[in-house]
Amino acid sequence: SAVISQKPSRDICQRGTSLTIQCQVDSQVTMMFWYRQQPGQSLTLIATANQGSEATYESGFVIDKFPISRPNLTFSTLTVSNMSPEDSSIYLCSVEARQNTEAFFGQGTRLTVV
Amino acid sequence: AQSVTQPDIHITVSEGASLELRCNYSYGATPYLFWYVQSPGQGLQLLLKYFSGDTLVQGIKGFEAEFKRSQSSFNLRKPSVHWSDAAEYFCAVGLASNDYKLSFGAGTTVTVRA
Repeated sequence: SAVISQKPSRDICQRGTSLTIQCQVDSQVTMMFWYRQQPGQSLTLIATANQGSEATYESGFVIDKFPISRPNLTFSTLTVSNMSPEDSSIYLCSVEARQNTEAFFGQGTRLTVV
Repeated sequence: AQSVTQPDIHITVSEGASLELRCNYSYGATPYLFWYVQSPGQGLQLLLKYFSGDTLVQGIKGFEAEFKRSQSSFNLRKPSVHWSDAAEYFCAVGLASNDYKLSFGAGTTVTVRA
């Protein structure tokens, strides 16, 4: 199994500012994923973070708004830039699900933008 | 278009009664199937998963799910619900051809009454 640590667990931020969320895994993984869960909603994939290459973004998400770093096989960051109240969500980091394994999730970062 | 559908937004069940949560998917190939539970303020916990083989899958906390290819369904069941089962339940689908990124259903909120 993989243990994922996310920091911060929660934050309240002013609009117009940026927040960087960290995701640390206790083992090396090829792919890491970032999801967003808006209030009362399901999870939506933001992007896939690959080590050594640029992140791959899903439709509706862009690098300027959600820049991602993946400096090594155990760590990734997601930045929520120029925040607005609509960015208030839970952001979750996940590591790859391969055959006969599961997708592991961090506890999430609960972001409130005021 | 690929999709995951959880038709029931909210289910209320009495403690000790049985529970069934529905999940249908629309994919060109047989995907990998997961059920996750999210308790208030908590991260996602995997209940069970289906990759291949026996179509009746046993999970944690007394849950089971049955994959029915003909119906494109993966319904979750529990014979006797406990008050601690009150939570949000998400069905998720992944494809090997899509790097195992997960698509989530909208979720079903389960309320357990005494």
